[in-house]
Amino acid sequence: AQRVTQPEKLLSVFKGAPVELKCNYSYSGSPELFWYVQYSRQRLQLLLRHISRESIKGFTADLNKGETSFHLKKPFAQEEDSAMYYCALRGYQKVTFGTGTKLQVIP
Amino acid sequence: SAVISQKPSRDICQRGTSLTIQCQVDSQVTMMFWYRQQPGQSLTLIATANQGSEATYESGFVIDKFPISRPNLTFSTLTVSNMSPEDSSIYLCSAGGGEDTQYFGPGTRLTVL
Repeated sequence: AQRVTQPEKLLSVFKGAPVELKCNYSYSGSPELFWYVQYSRQRLQLLLRHISRESIKGFTADLNKGETSFHLKKPFAQEEDSAMYYCALRGYQKVTFGTGTKLQVIP
Repeated sequence: SAVISQKPSRDICQRGTSLTIQCQVDSQVTMMFWYRQQPGQSLTLIATANQGSEATYESGFVIDKFPISRPNLTFSTLTVSNMSPEDSSIYLCSAGGGEDTQYFGPGTRLTVL
């Protein structure tokens, strides 16, 4: 079975502060991990995927197989980062989503 | 990229009735999926819509309750049958996956009275 855990339902940070959204996964094979974001009144969209090893909107995420984690990080939060963030794992030809973390950036 | 549209965007339905949700993709895609997002919860995969064959349902979802059609590579429908208030949810169509990025539709917000 594949599982994704996001322990925080809500994360509030001040503008300019560092952000870390936690994601842990359970999967017996070699996982493919993603972060999706949903801004207010917009559809779910891909933020980044671990195989790309890229930085999108200042966000990065590193796959740590030892800790089975894929935490999303940004050194300086911006107000426009406020949104719902979902960690997702693709394995066995399907994608499993975590429960999501609402990021609230306080001005 | 793929642009996905869904109809209707929202509906309010009576218990015992059925609603069919349409999903249109602006390009041919191999994989199409239907998800449900209940209030305050994450996305749950209902089924993979297979072109030209029966959909593949996830555990807890059955064809009688959620019949799916996929007549071609750009279109799919999901029917929520014999609805009850517990079916109130956002239903999301998704396309892509495999080696491709997975894109999502805007969702259909269903309220069952």
